Amino acid sequence: DVKVTQSSRYLVKRTGEKVFLECVQDMDHENMFWYRQDPGLGLRLIYFSYDVKMKEKGDIPEGYSVSREKKERFSLILESASTNQTSMYLCASITAGQGGNEQFFGPGTRLTVL
Amino acid sequence: AQTVTQSQPEMSVQEAETVTLSCTYDTSESDYYLFWYKQPPSRQMILVIRQEAYKQQNATENRFSVNFQKAAKSFSLKISDSQLGDAAMYFCAYRPGGGADGLTFGKGTHLIIQP
Repeated sequence: DVKVTQSSRYLVKRTGEKVFLECVQDMDHENMFWYRQDPGLGLRLIYFSYDVKMKEKGDIPEGYSVSREKKERFSLILESASTNQTSMYLCASITAGQGGNEQFFGPGTRLTVL
Repeated sequence: AQTVTQSQPEMSVQEAETVTLSCTYDTSESDYYLFWYKQPPSRQMILVIRQEAYKQQNATENRFSVNFQKAAKSFSLKISDSQLGDAAMYFCAYRPGGGADGLTFGKGTHLIIQP
């Protein structure tokens, strides 16, 4: 059974804190993604990675960074959390190759920044 | 840049009836894929159906089918015999044919099933 896991379902942090969101997949997928989901805005791509140590900016990378030291793990980092980063964060992975392959999602982390 | 538009923020349908969710997209690519994802209250994103742009035949998966109009750049989802478990947010999404790109999503349609 394929699986994408995220380190926390709910997280509360204070403004200015450094925040790490972890994502692990067990499907040996090459490509991994971080999305942000806000009501009325859908899902927006923050960053993605197509290989270890490789990263590409998505549509809204400002205020975020990522790390991929191992194939199965992709971390999203908020260097200095701000209240406008309060949101739902979804991680996803997909095998490389055809664009029609299914992208598998984690259960999401609801982050609140106070 | 590609865009995906879902013009219905919310839809309501009686149980056992049929409902159609609309989606339009804009792209200059010729090779791409379109998807419908479902997100129930559990928040887990579930793939409902996918369509390859170069295939003329509309995709179907049990009670779910699409009406893919490539020239009009339209990709609607039809749910037949609606069930209470179909209640969820539905997202239309686009992905280019090659490369490692992520999905471009619409803003979503909240589907309510009336018993």
